[in-house]
Amino acid sequence: DVKVTQSSRYLVKRTGEKVFLECVQDMDHENMFWYRQDPGLGLRLIYFSYDVKMKEKGDIPEGYSVSREKKERFSLILESASTNQTSMYLCASSFLAPRDRGVYNTGELFFGEGSRLTVL
Amino acid sequence: EDQVTQSPEALRLQEGESSSLNCSYTVSGLRGLFWYRQDPGKGPEFLFTLYSAGEEKEKERLKATLTKKESFLHITAPKPEDSATYLCAVQGRAAGNKLTFGGGTRVLVKP
Repeated sequence: DVKVTQSSRYLVKRTGEKVFLECVQDMDHENMFWYRQDPGLGLRLIYFSYDVKMKEKGDIPEGYSVSREKKERFSLILESASTNQTSMYLCASSFLAPRDRGVYNTGELFFGEGSRLTVL
Repeated sequence: EDQVTQSPEALRLQEGESSSLNCSYTVSGLRGLFWYRQDPGKGPEFLFTLYSAGEEKEKERLKATLTKKESFLHITAPKPEDSATYLCAVQGRAAGNKLTFGGGTRVLVKP
C-alpha cells in the first residue's frame, strides 16, 4: 500500500519556537509538496520540490523554508513560529509529469494524513 | 490568476438520492482539472483527472464531466460511505506546477 507519512499528527508549539515537520514517501516519487489547509481558504501550496535539493516557492512561502536532502524525505521548517501559522499542514507526493507536458506536476497527488499545528 | 468555485458548500442526501456537485473555474489555458475526496481528519485522496471539454471519467458511483467553464461530479445512488468533502482543483498553463483548489463541497449521505 502506497504511503506518505507525516511525522506528527498533532503538535503544540510556542510563538518563536523553531518547528520541523517531516514527511516521508515510499513510492519513489520525484515530486513532493507542502500545503496548508485552513477553513475558508482551502488548500494553499507552500513549497514544491521536483528533485533532491530542488525547490520552488508556492503561493505562501513567507515564514517557511524546506529541505530535501533525500528523494523520499521532504521537511518543512518554521524558523520562528507565529500564531498565524496555526493550521493543518499536508504533505503530498507525485510522479514527474511526462516531459512533453512542460511542467513537473501531474496534479495527481498522494497526500499524507496531515499534521495539525497549534502555535500558542 | 486561476480561480475555482465549488457549489454547494454543503449537501445532505438520503441514501440512494442522486445529485451533482459543481466546480466552476477560470483559468488561462487548462492543463488539467482534478477531483479529490477528503475524509474528516485525513488528507485528500485523488479521484479523477479531466483534460478537455467533453471528457468523462467514472469510478463506482462517481462520474466526473468537464465543459469549458465547469466540471460536475455526479453521485449516483449514494451510500453513507460516500460522505466526505469533495475538492476540485485546476492546473492552468500560466500557473506552471501549481494547482488552485476550490473550497470543497461537504457531502453527508444519511441512511
